[in-house]
Amino acid sequence: AQTVTQSQPEMSVQEAETVTLSCTYDTSESDYYLFWYKQPPSRQMILVIRQEAYKQQNATENRFSVNFQKAAKSFSLKISDSQLGDAAMYFCAYTPEDYGGATNKLIFGTGTLLAVQP
Amino acid sequence: GAGVSQTPSNKVTEKGKYVELRCDPISGHTALYWYRQSLGQGPEFLIYFQGTGAADDSGLPNDRFFAVRPEGSVSTLKIQRTERGDSAVYLCASSLTPARSQAFFGQGTRLTVV
Repeated sequence: AQTVTQSQPEMSVQEAETVTLSCTYDTSESDYYLFWYKQPPSRQMILVIRQEAYKQQNATENRFSVNFQKAAKSFSLKISDSQLGDAAMYFCAYTPEDYGGATNKLIFGTGTLLAVQP
Repeated sequence: GAGVSQTPSNKVTEKGKYVELRCDPISGHTALYWYRQSLGQGPEFLIYFQGTGAADDSGLPNDRFFAVRPEGSVSTLKIQRTERGDSAVYLCASSLTPARSQAFFGQGTRLTVV
């Protein structure tokens, strides 16, 4: 069975600094997709970044980037120039390929609560 | 609509009662997903609709849980004989197609069973 593990329940970062959130996963599939979602107190899950497993290049979205290590089954999120609005729960998620692409039947980790100190 | 809308935002019910949770997806989105998020956990998949039919209900925990989407738009998650362990946030998401399109989540319904 596929699993997603986030070993950091809480993290803290100073405003304008860089922080890295860790995620490992387990799967026997060769084609799959990985995601990072942000969940603020409003409870709405917001997609931060996604990575296709067949792509060797790490995904980047503005201040957010990932370090995808397929052999190690590791998928960490780096947030640069942290802002107060980045404070939230962050969830790592996995889905296998289906229908020729990523479905939205996601397997989530337990989350990391990120605090941003002014 | 502009986004996925879930009602009610919060629901408190007594153990043993029946509840219905509603999800209004983004207009035109054919795929709709229900997730359950217990306290301190990530969301867990419950059921997925493609159009009017439940394409995958493998995440429903038992037969007290049922969901419908009769016209391929609004969906209702129904829970019979609620138990305290059903207390959680129930999240709904929709996407334009089943695959290769981003899912957009609603703000969830927090269900508390007392």
